[in-house]
Amino acid sequence: EVQLVESGGGQVQIGESLRLSCAGSGFDFSGYEMNWVRQAPGKGPEWISYISSRGETTYYADSVKGRFTISRDNAKSSLFLQMNSLRAEDTAVYFCARSYYNSLTDSVEGPFWGQGTPAIVSS
Amino acid sequence: QMTQSPSSLSASVGDRVTITCRASHDIRNYLAWYQQKPGKAPQLLIYGASTLQSGVPSRFSGSGSGTDFTLTISSLRPEDVATYFCHRYNTAPWTFGQGTKVEI
Repeated sequence: EVQLVESGGGQVQIGESLRLSCAGSGFDFSGYEMNWVRQAPGKGPEWISYISSRGETTYYADSVKGRFTISRDNAKSSLFLQMNSLRAEDTAVYFCARSYYNSLTDSVEGPFWGQGTPAIVSS
Repeated sequence: QMTQSPSSLSASVGDRVTITCRASHDIRNYLAWYQQKPGKAPQLLIYGASTLQSGVPSRFSGSGSGTDFTLTISSLRPEDVATYFCHRYNTAPWTFGQGTKVEI
């Protein structure tokens, strides 16, 4: 069974940091590009970061650029998001999400999301 | 950018419900639809614009290609009360529709 399990969320104060982790299982993690998506309370999803399958390419939304860093460890089937200088508007549930293309098998399927981990940033 | 409509709708049990999503440029068929209930993670219904995700009831269907897409619930059931949103996923940055709240 394919699974993505996020962890590391919690409540912090403005200006502090959090490091989110996402553990993948049931699929060949190294073959997929990965993303982080967040959803603020009462809002729709917001894409915030992407990393290529081997980790050499990363992209960020303007809202987090310079503060957040995405990384991955394919040997441990894990994805990370280091979040620094947190703001109140970063309060959200954070989801890791697998992209649709498997580069190892040259096959496509739907995007797959984890269940999310909440991050609350308060003053 | 994905423009989704309507933002909300109210229908009766058994009604046919249609939600649309329009892309700002040709995205071929890289379009997914999700159902989200309060406090829960989004659940994938449709990907590739029209492929039903395993385990999803057949009353859900998707159509379209290029810029215009549709999610249809053929016969609305009480358990379908939720927010639905579309998702363009071919390249980063991913983009999402604004969501449609479906009520009975």
